[in-house]
Amino acid sequence: NAGVTQTPKFQVLKTGQSMTLQCAQDMNHNSMYWYRQDPGMGLRLIYYSASEGTTDKGEVPNGYNVSRLNKREFSLRLESAAPSQTSVYFCASSEPVMPYEQYFGPGTRLTVT
Amino acid sequence: AQTVTQSQPEMSVQEAETVTLSCTYDTSESDYYLFWYKQPPSRQMILVIRQEAYKQQNATENRFSVNFQKAAKSFSLKISDSQLGDAAMYFCATEGGGSNYKLTFGKGTLLTVNP
Repeated sequence: NAGVTQTPKFQVLKTGQSMTLQCAQDMNHNSMYWYRQDPGMGLRLIYYSASEGTTDKGEVPNGYNVSRLNKREFSLRLESAAPSQTSVYFCASSEPVMPYEQYFGPGTRLTVT
Repeated sequence: AQTVTQSQPEMSVQEAETVTLSCTYDTSESDYYLFWYKQPPSRQMILVIRQEAYKQQNATENRFSVNFQKAAKSFSLKISDSQLGDAAMYFCATEGGGSNYKLTFGKGTLLTVNP
């Protein structure tokens, strides 16, 4: 039982390049989330998927797209990376019922030069 | 929209002593959940403790306990008998209640434990 897995763990991109961050969970959770963590800012929600087949914008969606490929997988795509997207990205999953406890992946450190 | 405020960017404590981390929040819901997450240098987010606003009794998990003041919208974390392994960033978070299952996080408190 791996919980929530993310690939890659580290990535360096040049401005304008694209990439997809992958996330998978094996807890049969319905809801999945993508956050970014920046120094002094806490975790901010980028996009979430309440259930398979649905996605919604969070607090900071600009510059990102997501795909809920199936119940297990939720990917985050940067179409044209910018230095402002340098951050640590976390994927999380939960059941959409109380207590709404979220389980996190190990994170991806992305640097855009 | 929910907001979460952690007013202490950094705290330090001596090993074996007690420390309290502060958190205040704002929500219009009457029933909701509150969480403290720990993020050690490994970067992994780990749930420390949770509290349902409907319950008056403060949650406790071993050396971790909360002081939940619903009227004041305050949710502080007390760590007793601090250990070196408690050194981490701590995030307070709230789930908005109702049909809102998204978490809103505070900016975090960096806890240092001195030997």
